[in-house]
Amino acid sequence: QVQLVQSGAEVKKPGASVKVSCEASGYTFSAYYIHWVRQAPGQGLEWMGWINPNSGGTHYEQKFEGRVTMTRDTSISAAYMELNRLTSDDTAVYYCAREDEDSSTLYASYYFDYWGQGTLVTVSS
Amino acid sequence: SSELTQDPALSVALGQTVRITCQGDSLRNYYGSWYQQRPGQAPILVIYAQNNRPSGIPDRFSGSSSGNTASLTITGAQAEDAADYYCNSRDSSGSSVIFGGGTKLTVL
Repeated sequence: QVQLVQSGAEVKKPGASVKVSCEASGYTFSAYYIHWVRQAPGQGLEWMGWINPNSGGTHYEQKFEGRVTMTRDTSISAAYMELNRLTSDDTAVYYCAREDEDSSTLYASYYFDYWGQGTLVTVSS
Repeated sequence: SSELTQDPALSVALGQTVRITCQGDSLRNYYGSWYQQRPGQAPILVIYAQNNRPSGIPDRFSGSSSGNTASLTITGAQAEDAADYYCNSRDSSGSSVIFGGGTKLTVL
């Protein structure tokens, strides 16, 4: 069965960096994009970007450009999201999600069919 | 624009039908997907490609799309359907992803 297992909770000081991992199993890792989504306490879902595990190509939400780096290690089917220069506004649960697509319909459909369990990142002095 | 708009909150009586809507220009080119999120849990996919349910999602969940609006309908709402519901799609450029602000559903 498909699983995305994320690394554990982190506590960081302002200005520090955090790197969250997402280990995939149960499918061909290189065949599906991995996206990162975060959720601040009491807030909605915020998309951060994606990585193509096959090529390593990435695309980031403009808000995070210059501060986020998404990488992958195909040898262990893992994706990583590193966020730098943390502030208290970065306190959130960070999720990885696998994206599938359905191109058989009239319009294209992209969707997140599997999610990691989430990683709480707390930024506090 | 690159926004998806949802009603912040809705309520439905137990056993009744509720429709949750999501509006945005990107939905004229991409089908929206719907996610259910219960407190303290990761989101789960409930509808994709307009009206497809992943395995394990009850058939009381259905989807539709018209123009710039995607809809999620729950027919015969159950107590366990109380949750936050989010829509998403690729944005108009096709490169980024956007989420609606979420709808908090209360089952009375």
